[in-house]
Amino acid sequence: AQSVAQPEDQVNVAEGNPLTVKCTYSVSGNPYLFWYVQYPNRGLQFLLKYITGDNLVKGSYGFEAEFNKSQTSFHLKKPSALVSDSALYFCAFSPTSGTYKYIFGTGTRLKVLA
Amino acid sequence: DAMVIQNPRYQVTQFGKPVTLSCSQTLNHNVMYWYQQKSSQAPKLLFHYYDKDFNNEADTPDNFQSRRPNTSFCFLDIRSPGLGDAAMYLCATSRWTGRGETQYFGPGTRLLVL
Repeated sequence: AQSVAQPEDQVNVAEGNPLTVKCTYSVSGNPYLFWYVQYPNRGLQFLLKYITGDNLVKGSYGFEAEFNKSQTSFHLKKPSALVSDSALYFCAFSPTSGTYKYIFGTGTRLKVLA
Repeated sequence: DAMVIQNPRYQVTQFGKPVTLSCSQTLNHNVMYWYQQKSSQAPKLLFHYYDKDFNNEADTPDNFQSRRPNTSFCFLDIRSPGLGDAAMYLCATSRWTGRGETQYFGPGTRLLVL
């Protein structure tokens, strides 16, 4: 079955340090991959997506993600973490055919420590 | 600004008392989704509409119903809420083309069942 996996339930990073939130995928064909962020008591906010082309995707709030086909990964990164980046992050993909559903990973809680 | 709007943001109901949550969109998207999210877990898809075509997830309880009277509005009806239905309910939309369109979320309605 097609899926995305987020192997870390929680990631802690010091403010100012680079951060990485991991996502791997198991998707047939060309994957459409997304990152969303969720702050407490809010809906999910779109950060960035990979459709095709350049493997490095830049998104909102200084985040970027690198699509790596050989490692089937789509890790979210930021060069310098802010305390305000502390939130729940979801990786997701949308199939290219057969369904209108988006498939979400289990989520990773990011805590940025001052 | 175009957006996905959910009302109310917080809803308190009594055990067994029917409740309706509403969602509206100004994006003119063809697909609308309802998700249930519990305590920082991944959103769980309940059902979705592609235009007027209703698609129910196999494990969505019969207690949950939905209506989409027009493109802009979608409702989630919980006929007899139980304590286990307390959760955040998220509405989302997408202009589905099968080419990696972004899904946009509303702010959510947090349901409390007493």
